[in-house]
Amino acid sequence: LAKTTQPISMDSYEGQEVNITCSHNNIATNDYITWYQQFPSQGPRFIIQGYKTKVTNEVASLFIPADRKSSTLSLPRVSLSDTAVYYCLVAANTGFQKLVFGTGTRLLVSP
Amino acid sequence: NAGVTQTPKFQVLKTGQSMTLQCAQDMNHNSMYWYRQDPGMGLRLIYYSASEGTTDKGEVPNGYNVSRLNKREFSLRLESAAPSQTSVYFCASSEGATRDRVEAFFGQGTRLTVV
Repeated sequence: LAKTTQPISMDSYEGQEVNITCSHNNIATNDYITWYQQFPSQGPRFIIQGYKTKVTNEVASLFIPADRKSSTLSLPRVSLSDTAVYYCLVAANTGFQKLVFGTGTRLLVSP
Repeated sequence: NAGVTQTPKFQVLKTGQSMTLQCAQDMNHNSMYWYRQDPGMGLRLIYYSASEGTTDKGEVPNGYNVSRLNKREFSLRLESAAPSQTSVYFCASSEGATRDRVEAFFGQGTRLTVV
């Protein structure tokens, strides 16, 4: 499994764009990059996944450079409700995935 | 559609007692997982079951046993609870990878306190 490294915490203010970068130097050819969001007292939930270049959905954008050794989760115009822990995972796109979560990035959005 | 259901939601045990945490999913998923999350920490994988009939150790299996009873159910047993096992336990399930998603669905968690 490719190891991932992300900042432990980040602070932001409402209305700002937040970018959380994850390093995964040993990513394999058939690995996808997936991000989860966890609110207090809840289990994590899937927010976005990508393989290369850029992916965008209604929640976030995911930027992946050509070498795929890192990825950046971008949250546009955050609100207080985006305060959560964000996890970056790397897992293969075939068969079983042993989903190992790291420590995640604790994002605090202030008024 | 209930998704992943864990029981109980809360439990207090005395040191040395045993108990089983139950997990059931109704999404016909092949893979199931048990995690623990200590206060302010990330999730750590205890055990997983890639498919019905198989189980494997994760990052922190000591002190736990699991049973994949059938495709729907995956239980976690503490044979002799210790204060170090005080944590929130999450069960998750996953269909497996597709080109669109590598997605796990989580239960609401079981808050376990061992005194």
